[in-house]
Amino acid sequence: EDQVTQSPEALRLQEGESSSLNCSYTVSGLRGLFWYRQDPGKGPEFLFTLYSAGEEKEKERLKATLTKKESFLHITAPKPEDSATYLCAPVAGSARQLTFGSGTQLTVLP
Amino acid sequence: GAVVSQHPSWVICKSGTSVKIECRSLDFQATTMFWYRQFPKQSLMLMATSNEGSKATYEQGVEKDKFLINHASLTLSTLTVTSAHPEDSSFYICSALGGGGHTDTQYFGPGTRLTVL
Repeated sequence: EDQVTQSPEALRLQEGESSSLNCSYTVSGLRGLFWYRQDPGKGPEFLFTLYSAGEEKEKERLKATLTKKESFLHITAPKPEDSATYLCAPVAGSARQLTFGSGTQLTVLP
Repeated sequence: GAVVSQHPSWVICKSGTSVKIECRSLDFQATTMFWYRQFPKQSLMLMATSNEGSKATYEQGVEKDKFLINHASLTLSTLTVTSAHPEDSSFYICSALGGGGHTDTQYFGPGTRLTVL
């Protein structure tokens, strides 16, 4: 059975304090791993798709990496506006459905 | 590109009434759309997959007669909550597949907050 675990559940950082969020997955035949950001009361916003181990993608202060068992979302010098819940979702084989992890709630304090 | 809208953004209704939520892909065509619900402090749970011109596929435990899905065009899917009850109160979010030239990426709408009194 496919499983997705995100850690930590919650993370509080000072502005400028870099850190990483983890997404561990057990999926047969990974086709892609998606990262989204969700603000309270809103729908998720697409960030990245990673397709193969070793792949990295960057967007502003965020960088996502992928191994065969986990993905990391690195946040460099975060700002308060980076505060949100970050969700990962691996997709297996020919499936189109996203199975979301429980998310990491990030709070960046000024 | 890849903008998805939902209407209404929030709705309050009485128990026993039906509520329709619309999901539109504004700048792309989507043969596949998805419907999720989200309870407070929880992640998104997939309810059903909606394919244009065919019947929706519901996830296990989701009552298809209660949550009616219609995907009548390449830009519109609707979710109707029939005979709503307080336990149906939730945040409903749709997504559309394939915007922005990314055929395997889901783009989400802003969500609809349903409160059943």
